[in-house]
Amino acid sequence: QVQLVGSGGGVVQPGRSLRLSCVASGFTFSNYGMHWVRQAPGKGLEWVAVIWKDGSNEHYADSVKGRFTISRDNSKNTLYLQMNSLRAEDTAVYYCARRGYGGNFLDYWGQGTLVTVSS
Amino acid sequence: EIVLTQSPDTLSLSPGERATLSCRATQSVSSSYLAWYQQKPGQPPRLLIFGASSRATGIPDRFSGSGSGTDFTLTISRLEPEDFAVYFCQQYGSSPPWTFGQGTKVEIK
Repeated sequence: QVQLVGSGGGVVQPGRSLRLSCVASGFTFSNYGMHWVRQAPGKGLEWVAVIWKDGSNEHYADSVKGRFTISRDNSKNTLYLQMNSLRAEDTAVYYCARRGYGGNFLDYWGQGTLVTVSS
Repeated sequence: EIVLTQSPDTLSLSPGERATLSCRATQSVSSSYLAWYQQKPGQPPRLLIFGASSRATGIPDRFSGSGSGTDFTLTISRLEPEDFAVYFCQQYGSSPPWTFGQGTKVEIK
């Protein structure tokens, strides 16, 4: 069955960096675009970034553009999110999610990893 | 950027009742690229509906989606105890950013 297991979250000071990982299994990872979506505590969902299945293209939300970088290693079935210059408002649960067949809806989600930005 | 507004914020209903949730966009959603998700506390969202009206794999037929353009609806025909949760709509038109509504909480009356 499809599984997405995220990791790498934690408590980090403002201005510092963190890298999240998401290991995929149960499907051919290299055939699917992948997304990161975040959810601040008690709030709604915010799309963060997408990467094409072959890594050839990426897009970002304006709120993270220039600070976050999405990448993938198809040989390791792993998705990454490098987060630099972190701010308090980046505090959230970060979910990796698989692009659905035929569109950028999200058909499978990881369990989420919590990032807390605080001094 | 397309902004999605869901209504109501909270829906208080009893098991067995019908739930009607609305999602309105500030501009037309291309090709009905509208999805619905269910989220329970401490869990990731689960895909219910994509393409405005297509049920995802394993989703019971009491869930249905409809609408086009700027107005979309999720209907739960008869609420089961496990359906009490928060529901989000998402538009995934031809270009990013892809946006979510603020959510509707369906609670037990």
